[in-house]
Amino acid sequence: DVKVTQSSRYLVKRTGEKVFLECVQDMDHENMFWYRQDPGLGLRLIYFSYDVKMKEKGDIPEGYSVSREKKERFSLILESASTNQTSMYLCASSTLHHGAKNIQYFGAGTRLSVL
Amino acid sequence: ELKVEQNPLFLSMQEGKNYTIYCNYSTTSDRLYWYRQDPGKSLESLFVLLSNGAVKQEGRLMASLDTKARLSTLHITAAVHDLSATYFCAVDLTSKLIFGTGTLLAVQP
Repeated sequence: DVKVTQSSRYLVKRTGEKVFLECVQDMDHENMFWYRQDPGLGLRLIYFSYDVKMKEKGDIPEGYSVSREKKERFSLILESASTNQTSMYLCASSTLHHGAKNIQYFGAGTRLSVL
Repeated sequence: ELKVEQNPLFLSMQEGKNYTIYCNYSTTSDRLYWYRQDPGKSLESLFVLLSNGAVKQEGRLMASLDTKARLSTLHITAAVHDLSATYFCAVDLTSKLIFGTGTLLAVQP
């Protein structure tokens, strides 16, 4: 089974803090994604990565950055957290290899509250 | 810009009844996914539809894809309480997925 692990289930941070959300996958997937999920808005893509050290902006990258130094790990960084970044953050990974059909596998999510 | 619209957004159904969730999208794609999310949990893949006319069934759920109409449906047959969850469709756009807003399904006894 594919496993995508997010480092924290719940986080509480203060406005202006630098926040790191970590995601690790164990299936050697080349693609990794960060989404935020808000009521009524579904999942919105923040950033994604097709390979180590590569990153692409998603639909809502403002206020976020990412890092992918190793294939299995994809980090989301909030440089200076703001209250409007309070949300559920979901990490996912996928591969197009071996008939995998590009299904994205999701982590359990990190619920971030910025006070 | 690709838009993916689901309706209804909220569905309250009685056990034993049938219903359909609709997923419309605004640009060409031959690949569509359905996911389920239980409260407080992450998303779980239900179906992958890879071509026009594709139909997949698992238990009381059946998904279909009409790429010409840019429409996918998720049909629920004889609903049971265990199906209560939020259901998302997602369209494949060159390796990234664009998700619909989700349909919250509540099955009442």
